[in-house]
Amino acid sequence: GAGVSQSPRYKVTKRGQDVALRCDPISGHVSLYWYRQALGQGPEFLTYFNYEAQQDKSGLPNDRFSAERPEGSISTLTIQRTEQRDSAMYRCASSATGGDQPQHFGDGTRLSIL
Amino acid sequence: QKEVEQDPGPLSVPEGAIVSLNCTYSNSAFQYFMWYRQYSRKGPELLMYTYSSGNKEDGRFTAQVDKSSKYISLFIRDSQPSDSATYLCAMSGRQGAQKLVFGQGTRLTINP
Repeated sequence: GAGVSQSPRYKVTKRGQDVALRCDPISGHVSLYWYRQALGQGPEFLTYFNYEAQQDKSGLPNDRFSAERPEGSISTLTIQRTEQRDSAMYRCASSATGGDQPQHFGDGTRLSIL
Repeated sequence: QKEVEQDPGPLSVPEGAIVSLNCTYSNSAFQYFMWYRQYSRKGPELLMYTYSSGNKEDGRFTAQVDKSSKYISLFIRDSQPSDSATYLCAMSGRQGAQKLVFGQGTRLTINP
């Protein structure tokens, strides 16, 4: 497809487990962003990449959260030792270049921690 | 105080009405301003994208930015039931500052 693709769409896991969320950006898009969206709120920034380089990870809540984009295309957001407060919609976006191109979002992964 | 404030609504208007959605912000470094539309269970879809102050029109949609007042607006003319969605304002700073800061979103319903 032409849009940002995220998988899985839904993930339910027990507290303490690790989870990996995948994002496949629009083909050719240089920049990739991760956001987290709580119900009834706008997305909140987590981290972003230009190509394979992580440029800003200031929004990651703590060191249980990490992200990578090893080949400058697909990215994985990993949450270790999940906690119930990690339950949210995780969204990925991509843009054609860095500064002045708009971000296009995927439909997200709904993460539920039991 | 949040960097971007947006009235969450909900806002309900009859079909054909003009809708006005607004956001205020506190960070004077914001230069890029966006409006996204989000349908239930879908990701935000970019509607309007503007740089700095001024107006931009696209069909039934008009975006306005007033940097002196730190205030942005989205107007929807001849509103349709298909416009029913949550509308999110978003903004970012100068080139190199990539993260978007979003408002809370306004839930809009257009009644036939």
